Amino acid sequence: RKEVEQDPGPFNVPEGATVAFNCTYSNSASQSFFWYRQDCRKEPKLLMSVYSSGNEDGRFTAQLNRASQYISLLIRDSKLSDSATYLCVVSYTNAGKSTFGDGTTLTVKP
Amino acid sequence: DTAVSQTPKYLVTQMENDKSIKCEQNLGHDTMYWYKQDSKKFLKIMFSYNNKELIINETVPNRFSPKSPDKAHLNLHINSLELGDSAVYFCASSQRGWDAYEQYFGPGTRLTVT
Repeated sequence: RKEVEQDPGPFNVPEGATVAFNCTYSNSASQSFFWYRQDCRKEPKLLMSVYSSGNEDGRFTAQLNRASQYISLLIRDSKLSDSATYLCVVSYTNAGKSTFGDGTTLTVKP
Repeated sequence: DTAVSQTPKYLVTQMENDKSIKCEQNLGHDTMYWYKQDSKKFLKIMFSYNNKELIINETVPNRFSPKSPDKAHLNLHINSLELGDSAVYFCASSQRGWDAYEQYFGPGTRLTVT
């Protein structure tokens, strides 16, 4: 089983739609969680950290469910510019590294 | 100002050659990384250095040798290149450690081995 698993998609949605991605992780000792965004032929960039209580940044909402070992990203009112690959990242100090999921591809269409 | 820079951006070379990729960060970060992203877009960590010390070596063939002359630089030397080495190599840095801090990525080096 992979340490971090994401539905690869692709997710094809119309502008204005709400879309949600999930990411599951296998190590219950995981401590830090992030969502990164990677545009085509570009480097990954941090979208948002994920906090235990859940957090929101504009149209983006991230949730953490430790009991079920998953994190989620909700995008409301999708824009064309949201088209990208979204990477889930999980870190735990004992492993001394961050593990990236394989990414979920989102295409927002007019 | 570029935060994390890599050179070269593109590298096309033949099998069995030796090549190097350079990375520099001007963020004052303690930790630097090398990642490989293959044709399927999977991003895998290769190495991590903290203050010039190797922290992580993720079962990478020893044809790959990282070198950190100081904490602002992390270079990657690859000996005897193979077709399977073709990928995009990203350098990244973070403030301190790896678990709670944002990683800043360089623009990537697209390596093609023919």
